[in-house]
Amino acid sequence: AQTVTQSQPEMSVQEAETVTLSCTYDTSESNYYLFWYKQPPSRQMILVIRQEAYKQQNATENRFSVNFQKAAKSFSLKISDSQLGDTAMYFCAFMKQAEKLVFGKGMKLTVNP
Amino acid sequence: EPEVTQTPSHQVTQMGQEVILRCVPISNHLYFYWYRQILGQKVEFLVSFYNNEISEKSEIFDDQFSVERPDGSNFTLKIRSTKLEDSAMYFCASRLGLLLTDTQYFGPGTRLTVL
Repeated sequence: AQTVTQSQPEMSVQEAETVTLSCTYDTSESNYYLFWYKQPPSRQMILVIRQEAYKQQNATENRFSVNFQKAAKSFSLKISDSQLGDTAMYFCAFMKQAEKLVFGKGMKLTVNP
Repeated sequence: EPEVTQTPSHQVTQMGQEVILRCVPISNHLYFYWYRQILGQKVEFLVSFYNNEISEKSEIFDDQFSVERPDGSNFTLKIRSTKLEDSAMYFCASRLGLLLTDTQYFGPGTRLTVL
């Protein structure tokens, strides 16, 4: 079974700075997807970014980028120019084709003014 | 942009009562999911549904739970006899197809409180 580990339960960063959230996973699959979801205090799950395992190029979405290390089974999220609205829980998730999402425990990020 | 909707946003019920949580997936999506998040914990998979059948279910999804797509738009989760430990946020998600490129889109969630 796949597992997703987020070892940092909580982080804080100053506004405008850069922060990196870590995630590792365990799978024997070769083809899969990885995701970062953001959950603000409203508790809605918002997709931030996704990465296809077969792609070597790291995904980017505006201020959000990932560092995907397939051999190390590592998938970190970098948030550049942090904004107050980035304050939220962040969940790393794994999905192999046609199946459910498997989530990590989440990490609480606080952006301080 | 199309979105998944869920009603109600908050449901309060007494232990032992039946509740039905409703979801309207994105209209052309074919695969539907329910997830649960107990406060302060991670999001957990409950069940997936395709072609009017359950595709997969977790250990959490016992006989007290059922899902249904009663018409062409709604997707419901029923809990027959609620327990205190069913208190959680319940998320519905839908997906276009089974391609790895098909993302699951989440609804805003229903907060269930069992007293």
